[in-house]
Amino acid sequence: EVQLVESGGGLVQPGRSMKLSCAASGFTFSNYGMAWVRQAPTKGLEWVATISYDGSSTYYRDSVKGRFTISRDNAKSTLYLQMNSLRSEDTATYYCTRALPGDWGQGVMVTVSS
Amino acid sequence: DIVMTQTPSSQAVSAGEKVTMSCKSSQSLLYSENKKNYLAWYQQKPGQSPKLLISWASTRESGVPDRFIGSGSGTDFTLTISSVQAEDLAVYYCEQYYDTPYTFGAGTKLELK
Repeated sequence: EVQLVESGGGLVQPGRSMKLSCAASGFTFSNYGMAWVRQAPTKGLEWVATISYDGSSTYYRDSVKGRFTISRDNAKSTLYLQMNSLRSEDTATYYCTRALPGDWGQGVMVTVSS
Repeated sequence: DIVMTQTPSSQAVSAGEKVTMSCKSSQSLLYSENKKNYLAWYQQKPGQSPKLLISWASTRESGVPDRFIGSGSGTDFTLTISSVQAEDLAVYYCEQYYDTPYTFGAGTKLELK
């Protein structure tokens, strides 16, 4: 059974940084591209970033380019999202996904507020 | 960016009814080299993460009941639930994965009549 467990969320002040992790199990992590998708409170879904199976290629939405970095550690079956210069509009539940389309984790809440 | 437009935004249904919802993309999602449509459907219940129902416009994921039927090609797509059950009350999203930024529709919320 595919399991994706996100961690690292919480309350952070505007302009500060936060790093999310996603621990994967139940499949061969190194064979799959991975992604982060977010959902602001009571809003729809917004793709954030994607990384290839080996980490050699990464893609970002324009609003996070230069601020967020997606990365992975295939030896640890873990996906990361480093978020810098956070803004109030980054407030959302962040989901880790196995490729897109694919399986999703349960999500982790990130609140950017002073 | 490819814009995904879903209609209706909400729909009140009774158990046993047939339901159809639409998803239109601002450009074709049909890749000519493999003849595949890069369109997926998700179901999100309150307090839960989205669940993938259908990929490639019409391929049901393993374990998804056969009352969920995806159809369409190019820019016009439909999700049909042949006989709605109480557990199907949720928000349904379409997503294009033809090109980045991958984009989602705003969702169709199924509610009880």
